[in-house]
Amino acid sequence: NAGVTQTPKFRVLKTGQSMTLLCAQDMNHEYMYWYRQDPGMGLRLIHYSVGEGTTAKGEVPDGYNVSRLKKQNFLLGLESAAPSQTSVYFCASSSRDPAVMQYFGPGTRLTVT
Amino acid sequence: KQEVTQIPAALSVPEGENLVLNCSFTDSAIYNLQWFRQDPGKGLTSLLLIQSSQREQTSGRLNASLDKSSGRSTLYIAASQPGDSATYLCAVSGYGGATNKLIFGTGTLLAVQP
Repeated sequence: NAGVTQTPKFRVLKTGQSMTLLCAQDMNHEYMYWYRQDPGMGLRLIHYSVGEGTTAKGEVPDGYNVSRLKKQNFLLGLESAAPSQTSVYFCASSSRDPAVMQYFGPGTRLTVT
Repeated sequence: KQEVTQIPAALSVPEGENLVLNCSFTDSAIYNLQWFRQDPGKGLTSLLLIQSSQREQTSGRLNASLDKSSGRSTLYIAASQPGDSATYLCAVSGYGGATNKLIFGTGTLLAVQP
């Protein structure tokens, strides 16, 4: 049982380049989330999804797009990377029951130069 | 706007000591509060979840309490061990009626000295 996995683990981009981060979960969870973690800021929610084919904005959505074509996958896209998007990105998933905790992936460290 | 604060930002204790980590939040209309552990360079590991109707939850040497009316939670770690060294994060859900969206504190970095 792999839980939540993220691809890639590390990436360096130049300003203006694009990339997609992949999150996969094998727990049949309905809900999936993308967070970013910055020093002194804590984790902040970028986008989330409450089911296949649905997405919604979180606290800091600007500059990112997401897609949930399959229940087990949640993709985060950066169309034109900026240095301000240098961060560690975490994916999480949970069941529909809000009394159950969220499960997190190991993170992707992204540097934009 | 909901804000979550964790004090202290860092804590160093000798092995075997009992310790308390603090978490406070500005809006008491929460659905639940969760405590996580984060090891350096790793993801978050769920520790405990307390629903707004509960006062505390226990798991092994960990005990989390919740006082919703005062906007406070504590995580008590008994008989600390060097393996407990990590960053501990608390998060609340329910702000604006969204039961599934978490708002995180910035964490307490704990070092347990052997």
